[in-house]
Amino acid sequence: AQKVTQAQTEISVVEKEDVTLDCVYETRDTTYYLFWYKQPPSGELVFLIRRNSFDEQNEISGRYSWNFQKSTSSFNFTITASQVVDSAVYFCALSEETGSSNTGKLIFGQGTTLQVKP
Amino acid sequence: EPEVTQTPSHQVTQMGQEVILRCVPISNHLYFYWYRQILGQKVEFLVSFYNNEISEKSEIFDDQFSVERPDGSNFTLKIRSTKLEDSAMYFCASSDSRRTEAFFGQGTRLTVV
Repeated sequence: AQKVTQAQTEISVVEKEDVTLDCVYETRDTTYYLFWYKQPPSGELVFLIRRNSFDEQNEISGRYSWNFQKSTSSFNFTITASQVVDSAVYFCALSEETGSSNTGKLIFGQGTTLQVKP
Repeated sequence: EPEVTQTPSHQVTQMGQEVILRCVPISNHLYFYWYRQILGQKVEFLVSFYNNEISEKSEIFDDQFSVERPDGSNFTLKIRSTKLEDSAMYFCASSDSRRTEAFFGQGTRLTVV
């Protein structure tokens, strides 16, 4: 069964600290896609990154980096030198390519609330 | 930059009333979705729509719910007889393929009283 687990419900850090948000997924498919979305206090869902299951290369975008490890079914997200504007709920999500669901449906984790204090 | 737009941003309705939530997806996108988020909880899939028909729906999407693409631009979610537990943020999303990222609208907060 498809499942996404974000075990950290809330994280609080002080500005300029590095922080890692964990994401563990379950799927039987060999082809799948992983995503991170940010939900700031204003409520919208902002796309951050998409990875496919065949690409385990880590990605860096400015202060953001992502570590995808198929061996542990994890897709962790690190913010370096956090800022107050990073305060938001972050969701990890999974989409499967084949099997019973190949419609682009996203399965979301519970979300991690990140609070960055000045 | 193209974006998904949803109207209204907030709707208050009485229990038992019908509501229609409206969305304008990104113009060249082919896949459309509705999700909901009960306050403080995770985002849940409701329905996906492609080629003018529902391609998948969740257990939440029962007979009270329906979707429609009445013209080339709008995508609507109708709840026939609202219940208190339908109170949530409803997000519309679209993507150009089922393999790529979906872009979300800003959401409609539905409050059923």
